[in-house]
Amino acid sequence: ETGVTQSPTHLIKTRGQQVTLRCSSQSGHNTVSWYQQALGQGPQFIFQYYREEENGRGNFPPRFSGLQFPNYSSELNVNALELDDSALYLCASSFDRGATEAFFGQGTRLTVV
Amino acid sequence: GDSVTQMEGPVTLSEEAFLTINCTYTATGYPSLFWYVQYPGEGLQLLLKATKADDKGSNKGFEATYRKETTSFHLEKGSVQVSDSAVYFCALRGLRYSTLTFGKGTMLLVSP
Repeated sequence: ETGVTQSPTHLIKTRGQQVTLRCSSQSGHNTVSWYQQALGQGPQFIFQYYREEENGRGNFPPRFSGLQFPNYSSELNVNALELDDSALYLCASSFDRGATEAFFGQGTRLTVV
Repeated sequence: GDSVTQMEGPVTLSEEAFLTINCTYTATGYPSLFWYVQYPGEGLQLLLKATKADDKGSNKGFEATYRKETTSFHLEKGSVQVSDSAVYFCALRGLRYSTLTFGKGTMLLVSP
């Protein structure tokens, strides 16, 4: 148990729709990172939030956006869903943006049909 | 940019066999190195880490040594168990705060 919880665990969306995924970070952690893990691949960094500000972004289009709230929980929003967006989305929280370790949630499995 | 290369799987072993999963990396500066494990249907769990050259990370019988001269961080275990069956990811944390670059993962299958 890492103390990082994600919701929902699974969902199915239709191409073109929008989706919001949620993450509650571990207590005391102010940094949240999101990763996309396609089937059979390693996780790919989407973006990171530190104290409610975006602190870095990977090679993902602008239709991937996020938020971090004052309690440091976070949302990942994806607009105009494409079939290739089907993946496991992982949230990881860290004590601080300079922390060595990141603790992962169980992930949200998104299927786009 | 940063990258991690690890051996392709699946790696199939019998219980009590010796395990090696190779991992090499490319990064600017001196990254921290990690092995994560993912059991079916679950997220990632940190298995072990090393933050500087020649450090040895260890946990649950698994070990890996940070080799700067060969830019490697190979995972080893002397005697695997059926319960070790999972996907193992090598990762590095480079200059960008807390962000991780992962390899593609190596599936380990251990039979009784």
